[in-house]
Amino acid sequence: KQEVTQIPAALSVPEGENLVLNCSFTDSAIYNLQWFRQDPGKGLTSLLLIQSSQREQTSGRLNASLDKSSGRSTLYIAASQPGDSATYLCAVGGRTTDSWGKLQFGAGTQVVVTP
Amino acid sequence: ETGVTQTPRHLVMGMTNKKSLKCEQHLGHNAMYWYKQSAKKPLELMFVYNFKEQTENNSVPSRFSPECPNSSHLFLHLHTLQPEDSALYLCASSPLTSGGYEQYFGPGTRLTVT
Repeated sequence: KQEVTQIPAALSVPEGENLVLNCSFTDSAIYNLQWFRQDPGKGLTSLLLIQSSQREQTSGRLNASLDKSSGRSTLYIAASQPGDSATYLCAVGGRTTDSWGKLQFGAGTQVVVTP
Repeated sequence: ETGVTQTPRHLVMGMTNKKSLKCEQHLGHNAMYWYKQSAKKPLELMFVYNFKEQTENNSVPSRFSPECPNSSHLFLHLHTLQPEDSALYLCASSPLTSGGYEQYFGPGTRLTVT
């Protein structure tokens, strides 16, 4: 069974610092990997989706890398801002036929960016 | 707005009550999902519906009963819940492309069972 782990569970940085969030997964046979953002009391918003054939995806200040062989993904947020404060979730999509639509989530990293 | 709405946003119910959660998507998707999010734990997938047909029941207790009358609406009927069922319940929808992984989430219903 796929296990997804996110370390650290919480992170606090001063404004302007770069953020590095880690995600690891146990089964490298994945279809894709996503990073989501969740604000308190709200739903999830997809930030980046990396297909299994890709090594990274970029959107503005966000960059996510994927290393399937080592079972790791890293989300980089450059020049953090207080508005980046949220919980960041990593989710993996499986490759098997019975995995359709079944995302496996990590528990998330809660980020606080202080002014 | 993500195009997925959920009502109510907050719900407090006793263990003997019966209530329902509602989800509606305005994105033209054909798949819908219920997730449970407990504090400090990963999201747990509960149910998956494709074209109104349930394709996944992730060993969810029978006190949770889903209903999908059409591709735009999804309900979760609740009865005789336990305090450990207190959580944020999230609904999501997706198109049938990308393996169902391109999911759009609603804001959730915060459920407290007393």
